[in-house]
Amino acid sequence: DTEVTQTPKHLVMGMTNKKSLKCEQHMGHRAMYWYKQKAKKPPELMFVYSYEKLSINESVPSRFSPECPNSSLLNLHLHALQPEDSALYLCASSQLIRGGDTEAFFGQGTRLTVV
Amino acid sequence: AQKITQTQPGMFVQEKEAVTLDCTYDTSDPSYGLFWYKQPSSGEMIFLIYQGSYDQQNATEGRYSLNFQKARKSANLVISASQLGDSAMYFCAMRETSNSGNTPLVFGKGTRLSVIA
Repeated sequence: DTEVTQTPKHLVMGMTNKKSLKCEQHMGHRAMYWYKQKAKKPPELMFVYSYEKLSINESVPSRFSPECPNSSLLNLHLHALQPEDSALYLCASSQLIRGGDTEAFFGQGTRLTVV
Repeated sequence: AQKITQTQPGMFVQEKEAVTLDCTYDTSDPSYGLFWYKQPSSGEMIFLIYQGSYDQQNATEGRYSLNFQKARKSANLVISASQLGDSAMYFCAMRETSNSGNTPLVFGKGTRLSVIA
């Protein structure tokens, strides 16, 4: 199983709503990532979790709140978003190899529209 | 700080022909990995090929090969025998290989490849 599953695939939310994006992998990967991708742009890193602990926060606004409840799950809680937050949100996972390297596997993403 | 440059915003190739997508990188870390991903319009990032900085030979995966020129800091992707299904956005990415193993991927701006029948 080399899948990273993201739900929902599409989400429309109002600026006062609270919603969550979910990401799941069963490859035993201990690093998980959230990326944000605007149209015609490359993915931009938001958060990195290593061994279920937040290791990198790329100065993301607090209206985005990540959570890693266990080694297979990664959530992104959304609250009071702005229209400019509309984007494709990609989750990825990879092995953690000290001094080595491995590819990251990506989910299909959640297309978020904030109205 | 690491940096990835893809200078071709868009490329066209005739079906069954080969095409080269350019990527140059900049890093001060002697140990790093270079990756190519394909992103169709559906949005999923599909891993294609990997090259480690200490690898002596160029990586190959089926119709994909990576032309790695370390001294020039380039890692170009070559797609042979292009197919209509190859039409997509292609991203070059790099990760410095740290002892903690969690350095995230940094992406170039991408090249949109269109395969013409």
